[in-house]
Amino acid sequence: GQNIDQPTEMTATEGAIVQINCTYQTSGFNGLFWYQQHAGEAPTFLSYNVLDGLEEKGRFSSFLSRSKGYSYLLLKELQMKDSASYLCAVSDSNYQLIWGAGTKLIIKP
Amino acid sequence: DAMVIQNPRYQVTQFGKPVTLSCSQTLNHNVMYWYQQKSSQAPKLLFHYYDKDFNNEADTPDNFQSRRPNTSFCFLDIRSPGLGDAAMYLCATSRDPSGSSYNEQFFGPGTRLTVL
Repeated sequence: GQNIDQPTEMTATEGAIVQINCTYQTSGFNGLFWYQQHAGEAPTFLSYNVLDGLEEKGRFSSFLSRSKGYSYLLLKELQMKDSASYLCAVSDSNYQLIWGAGTKLIIKP
Repeated sequence: DAMVIQNPRYQVTQFGKPVTLSCSQTLNHNVMYWYQQKSSQAPKLLFHYYDKDFNNEADTPDNFQSRRPNTSFCFLDIRSPGLGDAAMYLCATSRDPSGSSYNEQFFGPGTRLTVL
């Protein structure tokens, strides 16, 4: 079966750095997406990785290791507005997105 | 601005009373998706259209139907809503998955459905 695993909840302090991990087992792989979702709102795109390595975009970076079926999202200089759920999703062999349940990130002052 | 629009944002219906949710897009994307998302859960794909080709997920209940009369619009019909159908319904679009490994999905704001 297809499976995406990520922690249910994490807590971090404003100004700090946090890493959210995602492991996956899917039938085929056509890239991994990270989305941010604030409570009661739709997911918004953060990053896409299809090759191994680190993609950096401002305060956010995403890493992929295809051989390990592993990705992480790194958030630096945390701000209160970063409090949200972060969803990991893998595009499978049919280009359908397989979604994780999301990691709820709580930022404390 | 190009976008995905969903109406209404909040919908209340009674148990068993049919309801239709709508989605429109100005992105001119070929693919449109309907997801159901319950609190603290992953979005669950109900079905998607690739142009006019309809693709139903195997575990989508028969109670859920969809129509796509043209490129811009897509509708979700729930024929007899049950209490378990209360959820956020998300519409999303993407350009064209075939031959491309980069297939970002763009989401509308969602419709939160309450069943009384």
